[in-house]
Amino acid sequence: GAGVSQSPSNKVTEKGKDVELRCDPISGHTALYWYRQRLGQGLEFLIYFQGNSAPDKSGLPSDRFSAERTGESVSTLTIQRTQQEDSAVYLCASSGQGITEAFFGQGTRLTVV
Amino acid sequence: AQRVTQPEKLLSVFKGAPVELKCNYSYSGSPELFWYVQYSRQRLQLLLRHISRESIKGFTADLNKGETSFHLKKPFAQEEDSAMYYCALLYGNNRLAFGKGNQVVVIP
Repeated sequence: GAGVSQSPSNKVTEKGKDVELRCDPISGHTALYWYRQRLGQGLEFLIYFQGNSAPDKSGLPSDRFSAERTGESVSTLTIQRTQQEDSAVYLCASSGQGITEAFFGQGTRLTVV
Repeated sequence: AQRVTQPEKLLSVFKGAPVELKCNYSYSGSPELFWYVQYSRQRLQLLLRHISRESIKGFTADLNKGETSFHLKKPFAQEEDSAMYYCALLYGNNRLAFGKGNQVVVIP
Protein backbone atom coordinates (compact mmCIF):
# COMPACT_ATOMS: atom_id res chain seq x y z
CA GLY A 1 0.00 0.00 0.00
CA ALA A 2 0.90 3.64 -0.21
CA GLY A 3 1.16 4.23 3.50
CA VAL A 4 1.24 2.58 6.89
CA SER A 5 -1.97 0.69 7.50
CA GLN A 6 -3.33 -0.35 10.87
CA SER A 7 -6.22 -2.62 11.68
CA PRO A 8 -8.71 -2.57 13.14
CA SER A 9 -9.41 1.16 13.22
CA ASN A 10 -11.49 0.74 16.33
CA LYS A 11 -11.72 -2.06 18.83
CA VAL A 12 -14.01 -2.35 21.80
CA THR A 13 -13.25 -5.23 24.10
CA GLU A 14 -14.29 -6.47 27.50
CA LYS A 15 -11.92 -6.23 30.40
CA GLY A 16 -9.88 -9.40 30.69
CA LYS A 17 -10.00 -10.30 27.00
CA ASP A 18 -6.95 -10.45 24.76
CA VAL A 19 -6.61 -8.18 21.73
CA GLU A 20 -4.33 -8.20 18.73
CA LEU A 21 -3.52 -5.06 16.77
CA ARG A 22 -1.98 -5.17 13.34
CA CYS A 23 0.39 -2.86 11.50
CA ASP A 24 1.32 -3.07 7.83
CA PRO A 25 4.37 -0.85 7.29
CA ILE A 26 5.41 0.72 4.04
CA SER A 27 7.05 -1.92 1.86
CA GLY A 28 10.81 -1.98 2.28
CA HIS A 29 10.84 -0.04 5.54
CA THR A 30 13.18 -1.72 7.97
CA ALA A 31 12.25 0.22 11.10
CA LEU A 32 8.89 -0.11 12.83
CA TYR A 33 7.67 1.60 15.99
CA TRP A 34 4.66 1.13 18.23
CA TYR A 35 3.41 3.99 20.39
CA ARG A 36 0.49 4.48 22.74
CA GLN A 37 -1.39 7.77 22.91
CA ARG A 38 -3.84 8.22 25.74
CA LEU A 39 -6.58 10.80 25.40
CA GLY A 40 -5.08 14.27 25.45
CA GLN A 41 -1.61 12.88 26.12
CA GLY A 42 1.57 12.62 24.11
CA LEU A 43 3.32 9.68 22.52
CA GLU A 44 4.37 6.84 24.79
CA PHE A 45 7.02 4.62 23.21
CA LEU A 46 6.27 0.91 23.39
CA ILE A 47 8.60 -1.07 21.14
CA TYR A 48 11.00 -0.65 18.21
CA PHE A 49 11.97 -3.13 15.51
CA GLN A 50 14.91 -2.61 13.16
CA GLY A 51 15.43 -5.23 10.49
CA ASN A 52 16.49 -8.55 11.96
CA SER A 53 17.99 -7.03 15.09
CA ALA A 54 16.59 -7.80 18.51
CA PRO A 55 13.70 -5.41 19.21
CA ASP A 56 13.87 -2.72 21.85
CA LYS A 57 11.05 -3.67 24.19
CA SER A 58 11.96 -1.21 26.90
CA GLY A 59 8.72 0.76 26.55
CA LEU A 60 6.30 -2.10 27.07
CA PRO A 61 4.39 -1.22 30.25
CA SER A 62 3.84 -4.76 31.53
CA ASP A 63 4.25 -8.39 30.59
CA ARG A 64 0.67 -8.33 29.31
CA PHE A 65 2.04 -6.49 26.28
CA SER A 66 4.01 -8.20 23.54
CA ALA A 67 4.78 -7.55 19.89
CA GLU A 68 6.11 -9.51 17.00
CA ARG A 69 7.43 -8.76 13.58
CA THR A 70 8.59 -11.22 10.99
CA GLY A 71 11.44 -9.78 8.96
CA GLU A 72 10.46 -6.44 7.50
CA SER A 73 6.78 -7.15 7.20
CA VAL A 74 3.66 -7.00 9.30
CA SER A 75 3.81 -6.45 13.03
CA THR A 76 1.25 -7.43 15.64
CA LEU A 77 0.88 -5.92 19.10
CA THR A 78 -0.87 -8.21 21.55
CA ILE A 79 -2.38 -7.13 24.84
CA GLN A 80 -3.43 -9.94 27.13
CA ARG A 81 -6.04 -9.67 29.87
CA THR A 82 -6.89 -6.12 28.90
CA GLN A 83 -7.51 -3.53 31.61
CA GLN A 84 -9.41 -0.27 31.40
CA GLU A 85 -6.17 1.70 31.59
CA ASP A 86 -5.14 0.08 28.30
CA SER A 87 -7.76 2.21 26.54
CA ALA A 88 -5.86 4.45 24.13
CA VAL A 89 -4.95 4.96 20.51
CA TYR A 90 -2.13 2.66 19.45
CA LEU A 91 0.03 4.12 16.70
CA CYS A 92 2.43 2.37 14.39
CA ALA A 93 5.14 4.07 12.34
CA SER A 94 7.76 2.88 9.89
CA SER A 95 10.84 4.32 8.27
CA GLY A 96 13.34 3.08 5.73
CA GLN A 97 17.10 2.87 5.65
CA GLY A 98 18.41 6.21 4.46
CA ILE A 99 14.94 7.70 4.89
CA THR A 100 14.87 9.79 8.00
CA GLU A 101 11.15 10.55 8.00
CA ALA A 102 8.82 8.26 9.94
CA PHE A 103 5.41 7.56 8.46
CA PHE A 104 2.53 6.95 10.82
CA GLY A 105 -0.57 4.87 10.51
CA GLN A 106 -4.00 6.17 11.39
CA GLY A 107 -3.95 4.28 14.65
CA THR A 108 -6.18 1.74 16.38
CA ARG A 109 -8.51 3.16 18.99
CA LEU A 110 -8.84 0.57 21.75
CA THR A 111 -11.61 0.86 24.29
CA VAL A 112 -11.74 -1.57 27.19
CA VAL A 113 -15.12 -1.74 28.88
CA ALA B 1 21.60 8.71 26.53
CA GLN B 2 19.60 10.49 23.89
CA ARG B 3 16.57 12.37 25.09
CA VAL B 4 14.06 14.94 23.80
CA THR B 5 12.36 17.29 26.22
CA GLN B 6 9.32 19.43 25.53
CA PRO B 7 8.62 21.22 28.80
CA GLU B 8 5.19 22.71 28.15
CA LYS B 9 2.35 20.29 27.74
CA LEU B 10 -0.31 22.83 26.74
CA LEU B 11 0.13 26.18 25.09
CA SER B 12 -2.76 28.55 24.47
CA VAL B 13 -2.22 31.59 22.27
CA PHE B 14 -4.47 34.17 20.67
CA LYS B 15 -4.79 34.27 16.92
CA GLY B 16 -2.17 36.58 15.49
CA ALA B 17 0.13 36.23 18.47
CA PRO B 18 3.56 34.64 18.20
CA VAL B 19 3.96 31.03 19.21
CA GLU B 20 7.10 29.26 20.34
CA LEU B 21 7.35 25.61 21.25
CA LYS B 22 10.45 24.65 23.15
CA CYS B 23 12.47 21.54 22.46
CA ASN B 24 15.73 20.54 24.08
CA TYR B 25 17.69 17.42 23.33
CA SER B 26 20.60 15.47 24.69
CA TYR B 27 22.72 13.41 22.34
CA SER B 28 26.46 12.82 22.15
CA GLY B 29 26.52 12.51 18.35
CA SER B 30 25.66 14.91 15.55
CA PRO B 31 21.94 15.58 15.92
CA GLU B 32 19.31 15.59 13.24
CA LEU B 33 16.05 17.09 14.46
CA PHE B 34 12.47 17.25 13.30
CA TRP B 35 9.10 18.63 14.21
CA TYR B 36 6.02 16.48 13.65
CA VAL B 37 2.42 17.66 13.85
CA GLN B 38 -0.88 15.92 14.48
CA TYR B 39 -4.01 17.84 13.51
CA SER B 40 -7.38 16.76 14.83
CA ARG B 41 -8.52 13.49 13.20
CA GLN B 42 -5.38 13.28 11.04
CA ARG B 43 -2.26 11.18 11.10
CA LEU B 44 0.89 12.31 12.75
CA GLN B 45 3.07 13.76 10.00
CA LEU B 46 6.37 15.49 9.44
CA LEU B 47 6.23 19.28 9.65
CA LEU B 48 9.85 20.23 9.09
CA ARG B 49 13.42 19.03 9.52
CA HIS B 50 16.38 21.13 10.53
CA ILE B 51 18.65 20.12 7.67
CA SER B 52 16.23 21.58 5.16
CA ARG B 53 16.25 24.98 6.85
CA GLU B 54 12.77 25.49 5.45
CA SER B 55 9.69 27.37 6.57
CA ILE B 56 6.54 25.28 6.48
CA LYS B 57 3.14 26.87 7.08
CA GLY B 58 4.97 29.87 8.51
CA PHE B 59 6.85 27.75 11.05
CA THR B 60 10.63 27.77 11.40
CA ALA B 61 13.01 26.02 13.74
CA ASP B 62 16.70 26.66 14.25
CA LEU B 63 19.09 24.13 15.65
CA ASN B 64 21.21 25.65 18.40
CA LYS B 65 23.92 23.16 19.26
CA GLY B 66 25.30 25.32 22.04
CA GLU B 67 21.98 25.33 23.85
CA THR B 68 20.99 21.88 22.52
CA SER B 69 17.69 23.32 21.43
CA PHE B 70 15.40 23.17 18.41
CA HIS B 71 12.54 25.50 19.23
CA LEU B 72 9.62 25.85 16.82
CA LYS B 73 8.41 29.36 16.10
CA LYS B 74 5.72 31.15 14.17
CA PRO B 75 5.28 34.92 14.31
CA PHE B 76 1.49 34.99 13.85
CA ALA B 77 -0.57 32.01 14.99
CA GLN B 78 -3.60 30.96 12.96
CA GLU B 79 -6.58 28.92 14.10
CA GLU B 80 -5.54 26.06 11.83
CA ASP B 81 -2.30 25.77 13.80
CA SER B 82 -4.20 24.19 16.68
CA ALA B 83 -2.68 20.73 16.92
CA MET B 84 -0.31 18.49 18.82
CA TYR B 85 3.37 19.10 18.04
CA TYR B 86 6.21 16.66 18.64
CA CYS B 87 9.93 17.29 18.52
CA ALA B 88 12.01 14.31 17.38
CA LEU B 89 15.70 13.39 17.32
CA LEU B 90 17.30 10.98 14.86
CA TYR B 91 20.08 8.96 16.41
CA GLY B 92 21.93 5.67 16.22
CA ASN B 93 20.90 3.39 13.41
CA ASN B 94 18.32 5.70 11.88
CA ARG B 95 16.14 5.64 14.97
CA LEU B 96 13.78 8.40 16.09
CA ALA B 97 13.16 9.53 19.65
CA PHE B 98 10.10 11.71 20.23
CA GLY B 99 9.36 14.22 22.94
CA LYS B 100 6.12 14.03 24.89
CA GLY B 101 4.45 16.65 22.73
CA ASN B 102 2.88 20.09 23.03
CA GLN B 103 -0.83 20.70 22.61
CA VAL B 104 -1.31 24.09 20.94
CA VAL B 105 -4.67 25.82 21.13
CA VAL B 106 -5.13 28.99 19.10
CA ILE B 107 -7.90 31.16 20.49
CA PRO B 108 -9.87 33.08 17.86
